Amino acid sequence: SQTIHQWPATLVQPVGSPLSLECTVEGTSNPNLYWYRQAAGRGLQLLFYSVGIGQISSEVPQNLSASRPQDRQFILSSKKLLLSDSGFYLCAWSVGVRDTIYFGEGSWLTVV
Amino acid sequence: AQSVAQPEDQVNVAEGNPLTVKCTYSVSGNPYLFWYVQYPNRGLQFLLKYITGDNLVKGSYGFEAEFNKSQTSFHLKKPSALVSDSALYFCAVRDGIYNQGGKLIFGQGTELSVKP
Repeated sequence: SQTIHQWPATLVQPVGSPLSLECTVEGTSNPNLYWYRQAAGRGLQLLFYSVGIGQISSEVPQNLSASRPQDRQFILSSKKLLLSDSGFYLCAWSVGVRDTIYFGEGSWLTVV
Repeated sequence: AQSVAQPEDQVNVAEGNPLTVKCTYSVSGNPYLFWYVQYPNRGLQFLLKYITGDNLVKGSYGFEAEFNKSQTSFHLKKPSALVSDSALYFCAVRDGIYNQGGKLIFGQGTELSVKP
């Protein structure tokens, strides 16, 4: 069966420090991969998606970047964090473009 | 452009009563509709989906949803609510476009509170 792993679960980082959140999917090949951010405990905003290795699409201009160095690995990064980057980050995957998207357990980022 | 609306920020029901969480959508083609549930400090859990076929779809934990094309609605229902159903519920639609990754567009979420 397929599983998704996301880490770290919780992160407290100072303003201006770098960020790396990692996500891996097991049990499937060539998944579509997604990074979402949830702010204020409610709305979900799509940040990046990837339909293949090295293919990254950004949904909104921001202080973050994403990379997909391997088929089932998706990394969210920042060179210098801002206070406004705080939030709950969710990685997700799917096969195809019509069926279910499955989410990881999320990473809480607090920038101080 | 695809969009989803959940008109109620919060729904309160008594345990044992039926519950409904409302969702309406707007899509340019065929709708691929989903419901997810989120418990505090957790990721989203898939509940059910409508891709094609029967308008009434059944999902996890006794939930079901009815797809209504004429009203562009996909309301989530359960005949008898449990206190453990208290959580944040999201309705979502996928755009089904390959070169855009089949993005999932979410509603704003509805907080369901079930009181004993």
